[in-house]
Formats: sequence, structure tokens, C-alpha cells
Amino acid sequence: GQQVMQIPQYQHVQEGEDFTTYCNSSTTLSNIQWYKQRPGGHPVFLIQLVKSGEVKKQKRLTFQFGEAKKNSSLHITATQTTDVGTYFCAGANSGYALNFGKGTSLLVTP
Amino acid sequence: SAVISQKPSRDICQRGTSLTIQCQVDSQVTMMFWYRQQPGQSLTLIATANQGSEATYESGFVIDKFPISRPNLTFSTLTVSNMSPEDSSIYLCSVRTGGFNEQFFGPGTRLTVL
Repeated sequence: GQQVMQIPQYQHVQEGEDFTTYCNSSTTLSNIQWYKQRPGGHPVFLIQLVKSGEVKKQKRLTFQFGEAKKNSSLHITATQTTDVGTYFCAGANSGYALNFGKGTSLLVTP
Repeated sequence: SAVISQKPSRDICQRGTSLTIQCQVDSQVTMMFWYRQQPGQSLTLIATANQGSEATYESGFVIDKFPISRPNLTFSTLTVSNMSPEDSSIYLCSVRTGGFNEQFFGPGTRLTVL
């Protein structure tokens, strides 16, 4: 079945540094979604990418979907302490179910 | 968007007992999902619950262990049966609304089995 791999598992940065997490699927995806989960909280939807090569930005966050629709990345520019949390990618194929990556836990120290 | 509430928010249960978790949504939704998230881990889909039909379970999850009800378009329950310490986890209800794939998650139920 479809597997979604995400790296790194953990990332510790100083405030102001950039951060990137990568997601790779074993199969071609119809779309990929990104979620953020704050410590003690539940996952919150950030964005969905559908088109091959798509790039979307949300303020300091940049999301990319690979040309082959098998990989994606989330890049945060100039991290802030409010960016702390775990970032999950979730891949969807032709079905309705999402396969979540293992997540990247981001720690930002001031 | 959708606002989801779950009851209970947390519970500590004895081995061999069962716990029913309730999920209430503030709008009518077709698809509801139940996930499990063990501490520090990713989300694993247990089953999809559609109103008026049997729930669809993912590999590794069976109806006898995780019976699900979906009596209407705003409510669902998940029962964790004959619990063991390995069932200790956070159980999350999730819904998908409208024509988009965006999923909204409930606050979760933190279950500890002794």
C-alpha cells in the first residue's frame, strides 16, 4: 500500500533560522496536504496541493509539490517560536483516505 | 469549516473493559473518520464511518475490537473493546466537509489503560 515518508523526524533551530521538512510517497498522489499539530493539540489543516509542480505560499511558509506528484516540501523562512509543533504531510491517492507521514517535530529556541 | 467536540477528553480504564468515545459535529457531514495517535507518533486511520452504512476498517483494525456507530450526519461513536495497555493512545475524530479534501479534527480523547 501507499507509504508516506517524512524527514527529518526532529529539527531544532534558533529563532530566525529557516526550516524545511520533506515528504516522499511510494506512489503518485492525487493531492498532498499539510497539517500542523501544536504540543497537546490536534492536527490543523494548513494547505492542500493538487497540481504537478505547484508552489503555494502562506506568509513565511512555502509549500511545493513535485513534478511527479510523489514528493513535497514545507519551508519556513525565519522561524519564530510560534512555529513550534509537529508538521505532518498527508498523501491522498484516488481514494478518500489520507496517509499521514510520521511528522517532523520542530523546536525553535529564542 | 467544522467544529468538532469529543467526549470524554480523557479517561483511565482498567484492562478488559470497554470505552465509548463520542464525536459531535456542528454541521452535517457525509464522511467521518476515526484515527489513533500514539504519543509522539503519526496518525493511523482506524475506520471511515458513513451514515447509513457499515464502517470501513483499515488493515489491522476489526469491528469486534472497534465497533463504530453513525446514527446521523452529525454524530458518531467509537468503542474500544476489551482494552489492553496497548490501546493506550489518543483517539481522534475527523470530518471532511464540502467538496474539499481538507479534514478537520476533534480535540481527541486521551485513553490510558492500566
